[in-house]
Amino acid sequence: SQQGEEDPQALSIQEGENATMNCSYKTSINNLQWYRQNSGRGLVHLILIRSNEREKHSGRLRVTLDTSKKSSSLLITASRAADTASYFCATAAQRSASKIIFGSGTRLSIRP
Amino acid sequence: EAGVTQFPSHSVIEKGQTVTLRCDPISGHDNLYWYRRVMGKEIKFLLHFVKESKQDESGMPNNRFLAERTGGTYSTLKVQPAELEDSGVYFCASSQDGWYGLNYGYTFGSGTRLTVV
Repeated sequence: SQQGEEDPQALSIQEGENATMNCSYKTSINNLQWYRQNSGRGLVHLILIRSNEREKHSGRLRVTLDTSKKSSSLLITASRAADTASYFCATAAQRSASKIIFGSGTRLSIRP
Repeated sequence: EAGVTQFPSHSVIEKGQTVTLRCDPISGHDNLYWYRRVMGKEIKFLLHFVKESKQDESGMPNNRFLAERTGGTYSTLKVQPAELEDSGVYFCASSQDGWYGLNYGYTFGSGTRLTVV
């Protein structure tokens, strides 16, 4: 069964606006990672937040983690056309994790 | 440093044919992972190699899929015979050790887009 579930499934915003994507997961985690997949390209690691962290920033990205609600959000500020992609959260389970489990992704489209 | 390389980038085959996907991990990375995204759904784990050994193959869908990593370097994923539902994007990732990938993120290849017609 999938571990992460992103919300919304698809998001279309105007260039320059902020985009927020949410991820919910089921089990206790060691960390949560966000990846991006541009059309026709591979997965790119964006940012990782550990279970003892609540917020993390990297450039225009801001990630929050609420372990009590088993949820995370990814905020992209001042969106650009190049941000058009699918975004996935992935979790590493707290106990005996040997791999990360992905969610179903959010398809983000930036309108010019 | 070369990244994770996957061949081919695209493959279109007929139902019933055989296809072999290849993944070259970053040199020195003992851990190699295969994932796939079918029909635009979630990215699902297939299997995990540590060197040439299969550490976890719990995600392999059925016996039509065979993964190998002879010599602990590159890996191949063979689908035989291919079915329509195998269409999707197959991703490969590597990490220098299991701990590093879990705690710092994985390096993925560009993926192979497989279309079965």
